[in-house]
Amino acid sequence: QSALTQPASVSGSPGQSITISCTGTSSDVGGYNYVSWFQQHPGKAPKLMIYEVSNRPSGVSNRFSGSKSGNTASLTISGLQAEDEADYYCSSYTSSSTLYVLFGGGTKLTVL
Amino acid sequence: EVQLLESGGGLVQPGGSLRLSCAASGFTFSSYAMNWVRQAPGRGLEWVSAISGSGGTTYYADSVKGRFAISRDNSQNTLYLQMNSLRAEDTAVYYCAKGPSGVGWLRPNFDYWGQGTVVTVSS
Repeated sequence: QSALTQPASVSGSPGQSITISCTGTSSDVGGYNYVSWFQQHPGKAPKLMIYEVSNRPSGVSNRFSGSKSGNTASLTISGLQAEDEADYYCSSYTSSSTLYVLFGGGTKLTVL
Repeated sequence: EVQLLESGGGLVQPGGSLRLSCAASGFTFSSYAMNWVRQAPGRGLEWVSAISGSGGTTYYADSVKGRFAISRDNSQNTLYLQMNSLRAEDTAVYYCAKGPSGVGWLRPNFDYWGQGTVVTVSS
C-alpha cells in the first residue's frame, strides 16, 4: 500500500503560519480519526506532536494544531520559530488487512 | 520518566539474522502496545511491526512479513524484534515506540520513542 502523500517541503518566515497537508484514502485518513503528526530534527528520534487528528500531547506548544477534511489531514504551525525547522511526518491507521500504520513521505519545514 | 533503550543493531551480511531489544521503564509495560519503526538512510519513517500489551496479537508490514518476528517479555519489560533473512533494503535505524493502551491500541499514538539502533546489511 502506498504511503500517505505530503509535500516534500514547505517554508515560512518567523512569526508566520504554515500548513502541511497529508492526503490518503477512505481506508485510512478519511475513514478514521486516527491521524498523528511527528516532528523529527536531524539525528533525533521522532516526537509526537498531534494524535487522533487534533489532540496535543502534554508539553506540546499550542502553536501546533491538527485538522482533517475528507481524505486530507493538515498540520498547522502558527507563530513560526526557528526551532520548528524539522521534518514532519503524518501517520494514519489503515484498514488494510496487511498493514496497520501508514506514514507519509515527510515534509521538510524551512524557517527562512 | 518513560525511557526506551534499543540495542542489538550492527553489521550483518545479507541472509543473516539479528535480534533487536528495547528495554522499557517508567510505565506499566504490559498495559501498552509497542511498535518498531525504521528509517533507512536519508529516507522517511516506515512502520515495521506492532504487538499488543499482552503479546497475543501482532501485525507486520508486508515488507518484513515472514522474515521478522516481534515479541515481548512483560516480566522483563523488554520488546524484541527477531530479524531473519536480512536484505540490503533492511538497512535502517530501528526505533521502538510506545503505543496506546486499552482496547483501541491500533492507533499511531506513538508518544515515546527510543534513540534508535542502527542495522546495516552489507557484504
